[in-house]
Amino acid sequence: AQSVTQLDSQVPVFEEAPVELRCNYSSSVSVYLFWYVQYPNQGLQLLLKYLSGSTLVKGINGFEAEFNKSQTSFHLRKPSVHISDTAEYFCAVIVGGGSQGNLIFGKGTKLSVKP
Amino acid sequence: NAGVTQTPKFRVLKTGQSMTLLCAQDMNHEYMYWYRQDPGMGLRLIHYSVGEGTTAKGEVPDGYNVSRLKKQNFLLGLESAAPSQTSVYFCASSYDRAASYEQYFGPGTRLTVT
Repeated sequence: AQSVTQLDSQVPVFEEAPVELRCNYSSSVSVYLFWYVQYPNQGLQLLLKYLSGSTLVKGINGFEAEFNKSQTSFHLRKPSVHISDTAEYFCAVIVGGGSQGNLIFGKGTKLSVKP
Repeated sequence: NAGVTQTPKFRVLKTGQSMTLLCAQDMNHEYMYWYRQDPGMGLRLIHYSVGEGTTAKGEVPDGYNVSRLKKQNFLLGLESAAPSQTSVYFCASSYDRAASYEQYFGPGTRLTVT
């Protein structure tokens, strides 16, 4: 079965420091990759997605992610975090031909930004 | 636009009771989804619908039923609640199931089964 692994369940970081949230996927076919953010007591919101083309994808709120096919990774980065970035972040994948399918989510990474 | 709304926001049930969660979207989306979120598990797809009158099973469908009688509404039913169904339930909708179309999520329903 296809899967998504988020290597860190919790990431504490100080404000204005850089952060990287790691995501690896398992698939031998085409994949479409996503990062979602969930602020406390809210639903999920799309941060960014990779469908094809440039491997560096820019999203909202200053986040970006890089698709690395050889390492089957899609890590999320931000050069300088704010307190307001405190949230849970989910990596997700759609696998299969025709780019249609259901989202498979990782278990999430809780980012805690401290002053 | 309200986007995706869910009713109720919170609910406590006793084992064996039944209930229905309502999801409504005002974006004229064809596709709707029900997920459950458990600590350390991410989101798992329960059922989804590709259009009015159609439903399909997701990853964890057992113990749940769904109906899509109107395009804008997607109902999730628990006929006989069990403590294992204690979770946060999210509804989502999208214009299409292709990867290029974003899923929009509701705010969630927190369900506790005692």
